[in-house]
Amino acid sequence: GQNIDQPTEMTATEGAIVQINCTYQTSGFNGLFWYQQHAGEAPTFLSYNVLDGLEEKGRFSSFLSRSKGYSYLLLKELQMKDSASYLCAVRDSNYQLIWGAGTKLIIKP
Amino acid sequence: SQTIHQWPATLVQPVGSPLSLECTVEGTSNPNLYWYRQAAGRGLQLLFYSVGIGQISSEVPQNLSASRPQDRQFILSSKKLLLSDSGFYLCAWGDGSGANVLTFGAGSRLTVL
Repeated sequence: GQNIDQPTEMTATEGAIVQINCTYQTSGFNGLFWYQQHAGEAPTFLSYNVLDGLEEKGRFSSFLSRSKGYSYLLLKELQMKDSASYLCAVRDSNYQLIWGAGTKLIIKP
Repeated sequence: SQTIHQWPATLVQPVGSPLSLECTVEGTSNPNLYWYRQAAGRGLQLLFYSVGIGQISSEVPQNLSASRPQDRQFILSSKKLLLSDSGFYLCAWGDGSGANVLTFGAGSRLTVL
């Protein structure tokens, strides 16, 4: 079966750095996405990786290793507004998105 | 710019009642449209997707149905709701790029009592 694994919950301190991991087992690979979802709201797109390596966008970076079936989202200089769930999703060989259950990130002052 | 509207935002319905959730997209033509359901502690579940008017693909057989009567309108319906239909429903459109990034509507919180 297809599977996306992410930690259920993480806690970090304002101003610090946090890394959210995602491992996947899918039928083929055609890209990996990270979305941010605040409580009660819709997910919003953060990043897309299709090749190995690091993609940086301001305070957020996303890394992919296809051989390891692994990605991480790195958040720097954490702000209280970063408290949200972070969803990892992988597009498989049929171009269907497989979604993880999300990681709830709690930021403490 | 493209925008996506979804309504109603919240609804409480009795078991056995009908359902209609509506989604419209502005600022783009012939979008790929999707209906997802999000249950607590689980990943987004694709319910239906559509690549054009009248073209609906169902991913999960159940008592829900979808229709696309116009290019930028996507409707999720049920004739008789079940308790298990409770959840957060999200409409999305794909930007058609190589990544086909999804943009989601604000969501509809359905509670079936």
